[in-house]
Amino acid sequence: GQNIDQPTEMTATEGAIVQINCTYQTSGFNGLFWYQQHAGEAPTFLSYNVLDGLEEKGRFSSFLSRSKGYSYLLLKELQMKDSASYLCAVRPPINQAGTALIFGKGTTLSVSS
Amino acid sequence: GAGVSQSPSNKVTEKGKDVELRCDPISGHTALYWYRQSLGQGLEFLIYFQGNSAPDKSGLPSDRFSAERTGGSVSTLTIQRTQQEDSAVYLCASSPGLGALYNSPLHFGNGTRLTVT
Repeated sequence: GQNIDQPTEMTATEGAIVQINCTYQTSGFNGLFWYQQHAGEAPTFLSYNVLDGLEEKGRFSSFLSRSKGYSYLLLKELQMKDSASYLCAVRPPINQAGTALIFGKGTTLSVSS
Repeated sequence: GAGVSQSPSNKVTEKGKDVELRCDPISGHTALYWYRQSLGQGLEFLIYFQGNSAPDKSGLPSDRFSAERTGGSVSTLTIQRTQQEDSAVYLCASSPGLGALYNSPLHFGNGTRLTVT
């Protein structure tokens, strides 16, 4: 089966650091993606992890532990514009659905001043 | 085009009517995906195209849903005899295709918000 879990909501203040966790149980694994989605807009790609460890991209970092089925997205120096939904998605091995991603329900982050 | 384009952006229809949703993927992308996003739910995979072929249609919720892709480009998702539970945002995405690297992300359009009254 396929299951991806994320917290539903998180709140934080400007300038702070927030960590959004994602756990997954999937049949096979070919990488994990994080997307950002502002209300009413398209999801946009943030990061990709396929090997264990931390990938850093400016204020955003993403971590993966394949043995634990666990990832997190770390956002530093939070800004108001970071208020959005953050979607965790797993890419299964190539199958009939090609490379379609399996998404969690997303975490809505609210940043306050 | 520069990005994935979907039309219409909003559609309000009466229960029982048919609707067509259009997706124009990024030029050169051979893979095209349809997802559905309901309030409080994650993105639900509907169907995938590689070129004009749809190897897997098992994600379509019922036989009222169908999709086609012509010329390896534009795709149309059709919902017949719409029901209120079909109300959702329908998102289309494209990617370079099977030959691309695994780290190739899906590029999404802004979606069509469908409301069935």
